[in-house]
Amino acid sequence: EVQLVESGGGLVQPGGSLRLSCAASGLIVNRNFMTWVRQAPGKGLEWLSLIDSSGRTYYADSVKGRFSISRDNSKNTLVLQMDSLRSDDTAVYYCARASYIYGLKSFDSWGQGTLVTVSS
Amino acid sequence: DIQLTQSPSFLSASVGDRVTITCRASQGISSYLAWYQQKPGKGPNLLIYDASTLQSGVPSRFRGSGSGTEFTLTVSSLQPEDFATYYCQQVNSYPLTFGGGTKVEI
Repeated sequence: EVQLVESGGGLVQPGGSLRLSCAASGLIVNRNFMTWVRQAPGKGLEWLSLIDSSGRTYYADSVKGRFSISRDNSKNTLVLQMDSLRSDDTAVYYCARASYIYGLKSFDSWGQGTLVTVSS
Repeated sequence: DIQLTQSPSFLSASVGDRVTITCRASQGISSYLAWYQQKPGKGPNLLIYDASTLQSGVPSRFRGSGSGTEFTLTVSSLQPEDFATYYCQQVNSYPLTFGGGTKVEI
């Protein structure tokens, strides 16, 4: 059974940085397509970033240049480094496994989310 | 970027009702569409991928259809556990995008 557990959320001041982690069990992170999605309070889902099994990365325009997705293979963990944070980055951040079979299919396993609050 | 427009945004229904949610894409995406269910305080749960393929373990009362730019999610007989918010998502091209969501409530 796949389990994804996010951590690293919390309160940060505007302009600050935060590093989110997603510990995986039941799958090997560097052999899968992995992704981050966020949800602002009372709002819908917003895709942020994806890293494929080759290490190629993709970003939404809203976070390009500020956020960086990576993997820590020794810990079987997905990472999201978030810099230059703004108040509109306040959200619950989810990691997920992206299913890929001759093409991207869906996000088929999700974590429980970690809350990031950007406020002074 | 591909925009996904869901309708309705809110849907009031009763147990046993047949409900249909529509998702329209701003350009053709073949069948590269997924549907998710989300309950308060939880991460989303995959229901359907490839527009019409039921994810393992999902009840057969959920059905997806469509291709190109128009898609539907139908719940044949709404159960108490189905009251939730539903999202469509396109995986045709980057940036990946979600619809705005449809809240199904009593």
